[in-house]
Amino acid sequence: QLQMQESGPGLEKPSETLSLTCTVSGGSISTSSHYWGWIRQPPGKGLEWIGSISYSGSTYYNPSLKSRVTLSVDTSKNQFSLELSFVTAADTAVYYCARGSYCSGASCYYDYWGQGTLVTVSS
Amino acid sequence: EIVLTQSPATLSLSPGERATLSCRASQSVSSYLAWYQQKPGQAPRLLIYDTTNRATGFPARFSGSGSGTDFTLTISSLEPEDFAVYYCQQRSNWPPLTFGGGTKVEIK
Repeated sequence: QLQMQESGPGLEKPSETLSLTCTVSGGSISTSSHYWGWIRQPPGKGLEWIGSISYSGSTYYNPSLKSRVTLSVDTSKNQFSLELSFVTAADTAVYYCARGSYCSGASCYYDYWGQGTLVTVSS
Repeated sequence: EIVLTQSPATLSLSPGERATLSCRASQSVSSYLAWYQQKPGQAPRLLIYDTTNRATGFPARFSGSGSGTDFTLTISSLEPEDFAVYYCQQRSNWPPLTFGGGTKVEIK
């Protein structure tokens, strides 16, 4: 059974860079059948897709965040990571990593999710 | 960007009743629409993909229909564990992948 776990600081100061890592267990990240994504959810609000990455490092970003987001993958550790720069209070959210499946190209739905990690941006 | 509008925002029903949730897209997404279920404090779970296909672990009382811009999630007879928030997501025209604002199904 695939499991995904986000890790990283729960508190960031405004203007700093948020960094999160997702560790995948119970399956390999090195598969062409899936993509690996980040989705966030501000407290009490809906879901926002941040971006996704393939095991080979191809990246796809939400245009609204593209200038601040970097995704990377480390297949040797079965991990992928998110960096979001110049954070503000509006970036406070639960951040989920998820596996993309049933894809057309890199356009996917997400069938496995991490439990999510709350990141608060505050001075 | 494709905007998905879900209605109603809240649906108050009793166990055993039928639930009908709507998701409307700002332009056609063909059949490339999914539904997720989210319970408090939990991650979303993929429920339906490509409009009609039930994901692993969900019973037959859940069904999806529609095409183009109008989609429906139907729960034929609500069980206590079905009370949750439901989101739709499109993967037709991207980036970005987009989600609807959600429908909360609550106990009446």
